[in-house]
Amino acid sequence: DAKTTQPNSMESNEEEPVHLPCNHSTISGTDYIHWYRQLPSQGPEYVIHGLTSNVNNRMASLAIAEDRKSSTLILHRATLRDAAVYYCILRDVSGGSNYKLTFGKGTLLTVNP
Amino acid sequence: EAGVAQSPRYKIIEKRQSVAFWCNPISGHATLYWYQQILGQGPKLLIQFQNNGVVDDSQLPKDRFSAERLKGVDSTLKIQPAKLEDSAVYLCASSSQGSNSPLHFGNGTRLTVT
Repeated sequence: DAKTTQPNSMESNEEEPVHLPCNHSTISGTDYIHWYRQLPSQGPEYVIHGLTSNVNNRMASLAIAEDRKSSTLILHRATLRDAAVYYCILRDVSGGSNYKLTFGKGTLLTVNP
Repeated sequence: EAGVAQSPRYKIIEKRQSVAFWCNPISGHATLYWYQQILGQGPKLLIQFQNNGVVDDSQLPKDRFSAERLKGVDSTLKIQPAKLEDSAVYLCASSSQGSNSPLHFGNGTRLTVT
């Protein structure tokens, strides 16, 4: 499975934007970039995914580098409820891996009031 | 829509005892996953079902863990006998068919083995 690298932890202030980086220098052409987050005492929750173009949804934006070797999850206005572990995952859609998700350790985001 | 249901929420057992966890996925979701999450780590896939067939159980410790998904709906994960290192949160997830269908997770069962 292609690997991702994320900072262990980040801090943000409430109502400010947050940029969560992810490096994936060995990404292949059939890998989609997925982001999940895990709030305390809950299961992971899907956030967003993309292939090449930047993506937006109601939760966040995903900015993907032109060479696809890195990406950034953007929370436009952090709230206390955004405090969670954020996972950046490469999902191979070629079929050989059964589309499984392999989680790393993620980034622990702390939001200060 | 109703989410993924798991029970029990918590379980404490002694080592060498057996335990079972139950999962009811989102209605219509063909794919079901069991993950193990040890404290401080990301979830690790144990087994993946497509309908009632296993598509990946490469990381399931088959000497003590077993899982089934009868009729392609509910699933049960069993540990027999349990070891201290099995203490973890066991997460069930489901997804519809499709290479990028998001996984929907339950809130897990926290197992403590003493």
